[in-house]
Amino acid sequence: RKEVEQDPGPFNVPEGATVAFNCTYSNSASQSFFWYRQDCRKEPKLLMSVYSSGNEDGRFTAQLNRASQYISLLIRDSKLSDSATYLCVVNWQAGGTSYGKLTFGQGTILTVHP
Amino acid sequence: DTEVTQTPKHLVMGMTNKKSLKCEQHMGHRAMYWYKQKAKKPPELMFVYSYEKLSINESVPSRFSPECPNSSLLNLHLHALQPEDSALYLCASSQMGTPWDEQFFGPGTRLTVL
Repeated sequence: RKEVEQDPGPFNVPEGATVAFNCTYSNSASQSFFWYRQDCRKEPKLLMSVYSSGNEDGRFTAQLNRASQYISLLIRDSKLSDSATYLCVVNWQAGGTSYGKLTFGQGTILTVHP
Repeated sequence: DTEVTQTPKHLVMGMTNKKSLKCEQHMGHRAMYWYKQKAKKPPELMFVYSYEKLSINESVPSRFSPECPNSSLLNLHLHALQPEDSALYLCASSQMGTPWDEQFFGPGTRLTVL
């Protein structure tokens, strides 16, 4: 089983649509959770951290369910500029150390079309 | 604009060459990271430096040699690489290196080994 699993996608949606991405993680001791976006041939950019209470940033809403080890990202009113790969990322404590280790899901490709 | 810079942006090298990748962060972070990303795959952690000391080495071959001259700089020395080492090499930094930290990525160096 992969440590972080995401919907494979790709998702092709029209402008204005609402789209949801899901992610599950295997390590119950995971400490923190993030969504990154990555444009083609660019670096990953932090989109938002994900908190247990859920959090919202404009059109983006992230949810975390620790009991189910499940993370989600909802994008409302999709824009052309939202087209990218969305990476679900989990940070856990590297074995025997106090340092964090990011593990990435495989990513979900989103294409928003006119 | 990224506050993590990487040079060079592109590098082509032969298997007998020695080259170095450089990374600098301007955020006062105390942890820095090297990741390798192959096409259509997520980034994979290579090394973690925290307070200028190597904290995590993910069993990376010795032809990759990291160096952290100070808390703002991180180098990756390359020697006798193989064509399969061609990839995007990403540097990242975070505040303390803990499992709760957000990591911020530089634009990467796209390496081609001939």
